[in-house]
Amino acid sequence: EAGVVQSPRYKIIEKKQPVAFWCNPISGHNTLYWYLQNLGQGPELLIRYENEEAVDDSQLPKDRFSAERLKGVDSTLKIQPAELGDSAVYLCASSLHRSTDTQYFGPGTRLTVL
Amino acid sequence: SQQGEEDPQALSIQEGENATMNCSYKTSINNLQWYRQNSGRGLVHLILIRSNEREKHSGRLRVTLDTSKKSSSLLITASRAADTASYFCATEPNTGNQFYFGTGTSLTVIP
Repeated sequence: EAGVVQSPRYKIIEKKQPVAFWCNPISGHNTLYWYLQNLGQGPELLIRYENEEAVDDSQLPKDRFSAERLKGVDSTLKIQPAELGDSAVYLCASSLHRSTDTQYFGPGTRLTVL
Repeated sequence: SQQGEEDPQALSIQEGENATMNCSYKTSINNLQWYRQNSGRGLVHLILIRSNEREKHSGRLRVTLDTSKKSSSLLITASRAADTASYFCATEPNTGNQFYFGTGTSLTVIP
């Protein structure tokens, strides 16, 4: 069975440019998470979806970040415009039902903003 | 701020030795999980311990939980070079479905 798939794996952009990350969770997993991980730190939750509904987006900087999960499967996280401080690894994870279930992580997208 | 704090931040041991890392957290929890992250990879779930459990084993892993001290420890016995990774604790406070990762312990096992 395929794990959580993310693309691209790496992205380098100039500041003020837009960028988008894509995530395909494990088949049948209802819950999808986007995390931000800075170097030497643990992941920090940006947004959590239960099916297609965003149930926790309190940590998502809504002035520049947006996310969607159409049809409750794939998800896209967008930043527009990107800032230097957005350089980090963006991790996607999925779990069967809720956060107490084991979360399965994708390899992440490493974003560098120049 | 993040819920959990791991200690030590970095640990270097010889292959075959045991590795112990600790996690302290701030509020009451429903459960605590440990994850491993190899360099450049996503996190991999290792073990979950519920608030009413005190100890749990999985292969070479032993996790303890002391809710009175708000702390947990992860013991890896007979370490191997392949255990080299960062280890994170993650907690779910009993106030909701939020999920917090700690800052991690970087473990290096020297062959």
